[in-house]
Amino acid sequence: SQTIHQWPATLVQPVGSPLSLECTVEGTSNPNLYWYRQAAGRGLQLLFYSVGIGQISSEVPQNLSASRPQDRQFILSSKKLLLSDSGFYLCAWEGPNVGANVLTFGAGSRLTVL
Amino acid sequence: AQSVAQPEDQVNVAEGNPLTVKCTYSVSGNPYLFWYVQYPNRGLQFLLKYITGDNLVKGSYGFEAEFNKSQTSFHLKKPSALVSDSALYFCAVSEGQGFSFIFGKGTRLLVKP
Repeated sequence: SQTIHQWPATLVQPVGSPLSLECTVEGTSNPNLYWYRQAAGRGLQLLFYSVGIGQISSEVPQNLSASRPQDRQFILSSKKLLLSDSGFYLCAWEGPNVGANVLTFGAGSRLTVL
Repeated sequence: AQSVAQPEDQVNVAEGNPLTVKCTYSVSGNPYLFWYVQYPNRGLQFLLKYITGDNLVKGSYGFEAEFNKSQTSFHLKKPSALVSDSALYFCAVSEGQGFSFIFGKGTRLLVKP
């Protein structure tokens, strides 16, 4: 069966420090992958999506970047965190089949920038 | 560009009463429409989707939604609400293959006993 993992689950970082959030999917190949941010427990903002290795589309100009070094790995990064980067980060993959058009979400990573 | 609106921040309903959570959308082509639910500190869970076919779609936990093309709406409904239905509900839209998913800001549903 397909599963999606996100880590770390919780992260507290100082302003100006780097960030790396990792997302991996098991049990599928060539998934479409997404990073969303949810601020203050409300709406989801699409940050990045990827349809394949090395293929990243950015939806919002910001302090963050994404990479897809392997088929089932999607990484969200920042070189220098801002206070406004605090939030709940959700990774998702589109499946279980190509064209299924359903997103399956990870459990999320809560980032607090102090 | 695709967009989705959820006009209500919160919906309050008594247990056993019917509930409706509203969603309207805007896309340039045929819409793919979705409802997701989120419980505290968790990821979103898929409830139901409309791609094509019957305008009334049924999903998990007794929820259903009706696609109305003329009103560009996709409201979520349930005939009899449960206290356990209390959560944050998100409507989402996509234009299909090759397009990303755009979510509304969410509506908090509170079902009171």
